[in-house]
Amino acid sequence: EAGVVQSPRYKIIEKKQPVAFWCNPISGHNTLYWYLQNLGQGPELLIRYENEEAVDDSQLPKDRFSAERLKGVDSTLKIQPAELGDSAVYLCASSLGDRNTINEQFFGPGTRLTVL
Amino acid sequence: AQKVTQAQTEISVVEKEDVTLDCVYETRDTTYYLFWYKQPPSGELVFLIRRNSFDEQNEISGRYSWNFQKSTSSFNFTITASQVVDSAVYFCALSQYSGAGSYQLTFGKGTKLSVIP
Repeated sequence: EAGVVQSPRYKIIEKKQPVAFWCNPISGHNTLYWYLQNLGQGPELLIRYENEEAVDDSQLPKDRFSAERLKGVDSTLKIQPAELGDSAVYLCASSLGDRNTINEQFFGPGTRLTVL
Repeated sequence: AQKVTQAQTEISVVEKEDVTLDCVYETRDTTYYLFWYKQPPSGELVFLIRRNSFDEQNEISGRYSWNFQKSTSSFNFTITASQVVDSAVYFCALSQYSGAGSYQLTFGKGTKLSVIP
């Protein structure tokens, strides 16, 4: 069974440029998460989707970050414009279940973003 | 406030030694879940265990064991006879209710384990 797929694995951009990350969850997983992981820290949730609905986006900086999961399968996270402080690893995860269940999440390898 | 503390930033052990990774948590929820994840150098977090707050039985899986003590709000992880492949960053995480019927995980800062051959 294929795991969570993310692309690209690495991205280097100059500040003020836009950038997008793509995630394809494990087949059949209706819940999808985007996390931000700074160096030496644990992941922090940015947004959680149940199917195509964003059920928790309270941590997403909406002035520059946006996300979509149009058909309830793969998802895109965008930053526009990027700032130096956005340099981090962006992780995607997926799980089975709904907002009332707490199942284990399966993570992708992440996209390491460097903003120059 | 929900919080997970992993006081050990880095640990180094010699292969075949046993090692315990500490995790202390804070929560006001009466029902919650605790997790351990492993993050090898490749970057992908690997799920190790999930434990709910009503189940205080210790668990053993091969060389891995977990000790959950509600009285001290701790969920410690022990690796017996460590191997070089155990070298990774290990994260403890706590589920929290984030409102609107939704749960999210709060992660600790992780403990970097280096197993020296």
